[in-house]
Amino acid sequence: DTGVSQDPRHKITKRGQNVTFRCDPISEHNRLYWYRQTLGQGPEFLTYFQNEAQLEKSRLLSDRFSAERPKGSFSTLEIQRTEQGDSAMYLCASSLPPGLELAKNIQYFGAGTRLSVL
Amino acid sequence: AQTVTQSQPEMSVQEAETVTLSCTYDTSESDYYLFWYKQPPSRQMILVIRQEAYKQQNATENRFSVNFQKAAKSFSLKISDSQLGDAAMYFCAYRSPFDGANSKLTFGKGITLSVRP
Repeated sequence: DTGVSQDPRHKITKRGQNVTFRCDPISEHNRLYWYRQTLGQGPEFLTYFQNEAQLEKSRLLSDRFSAERPKGSFSTLEIQRTEQGDSAMYLCASSLPPGLELAKNIQYFGAGTRLSVL
Repeated sequence: AQTVTQSQPEMSVQEAETVTLSCTYDTSESDYYLFWYKQPPSRQMILVIRQEAYKQQNATENRFSVNFQKAAKSFSLKISDSQLGDAAMYFCAYRSPFDGANSKLTFGKGITLSVRP
């Protein structure tokens, strides 16, 4: 078990371009979360999946953002027509179902993808 | 909606000494979960300690312990015998007891802790 993996670690793009990030959760974790963290702030929730179903999206997730988890394993987060305000760290986290005693409602985080929009 | 407040942006501690990081939160729920996460520079966020609100006993993990004051909605983290490797940003986080969208974490702004050798 290598933990939550995110790729790429850094992404620099020009305004107006599309970018896609990938997250590989811990195996057997059926829940996957995306958060956004701007400089000097704590992470803010964007969206979450239970298996392949996207069950909740934050108001922070504009129409330019789309997330998928096609087979209930890895997830992708795409941002279309990037804007300078999209510059942030994008964090992925995964967890076991909350009903499991082992889960303890703990989310495990990846190292994040740092996006810079020029 | 729940909110988490970390009013101290930065703190500093001498190596081997003790430091306390403050966190307050606001909620109307009677049961919930509180967490402290550590985020070293350019590295992933890791869980430091977890507290269940229905438990009176304060959680402890080796050098890390919490002072959970439910009535005051306060959840401070005490780091004993501080080590250089403790230098990081620390986030306090809240999780509702309910499932679904409520399973998300609500974070404070974080505290940057530096450790002086």
